[in-house]
Amino acid sequence: NAGVTQTPKFQVLKTGQSMTLQCAQDMNHEYMSWYRQDPGMGLRLIHYSVGAGITDQGEVPNGYNVSRSTTEDFPLRLLSAAPSQTSVYFCASSYSVGVGGTGELFFGEGSRLTVL
Amino acid sequence: GQQVMQIPQYQHVQEGEDFTTYCNSSTTLSNIQWYKQRPGGHPVFLIQLVKSGEVKKQKRLTFQFGEAKKNSSLHITATQTTDVGTYFCAGLSNAGNMLTFGGGTRLMVKP
Repeated sequence: NAGVTQTPKFQVLKTGQSMTLQCAQDMNHEYMSWYRQDPGMGLRLIHYSVGAGITDQGEVPNGYNVSRSTTEDFPLRLLSAAPSQTSVYFCASSYSVGVGGTGELFFGEGSRLTVL
Repeated sequence: GQQVMQIPQYQHVQEGEDFTTYCNSSTTLSNIQWYKQRPGGHPVFLIQLVKSGEVKKQKRLTFQFGEAKKNSSLHITATQTTDVGTYFCAGLSNAGNMLTFGGGTRLMVKP
């Protein structure tokens, strides 16, 4: 059972470089999201999607782009990396989120990004 | 926007002692979830509370949702070393599809 798969697990970038963090789930979940985790700040929502073709901004969307062309995939793009984006990134999916939804988030194992 | 605060940020306990973490939201919540993250791991879902005043138990863990649906708590009875990790609450607002996480409480258990 693959669940939520994130790649890469580790990445070092220079300021200004671009990259894409990949996220794929095989549970046919409609809801997918990206969080960043920084020490002492918990998990902050970057972007989320409630289904293919639909994306929306979370708490900290600046500097990140997403797209959702399929149900399975939800890549996160950094167009011009900055040191402030050094963090651990988690992708999470759910059957549904929202009033009445089951809501349980399944997390990937995380991607540790360092921007020099 | 919605804010979810969690206290304490850290807690050291002796094995066998009880532990409680508290979660408070700036807005009324539709539901609240709790997650556990082991050191170096990813968050894992523990439970979801939906009803005002709801109390749920999982073995030594007791979860409560406040009457006003703005606060919640997680209580662990007689902690064990396997309880080590960071416990997060996450609140879903009535308005949308965003789960907002608290800052987490890191539990350390001394054998």
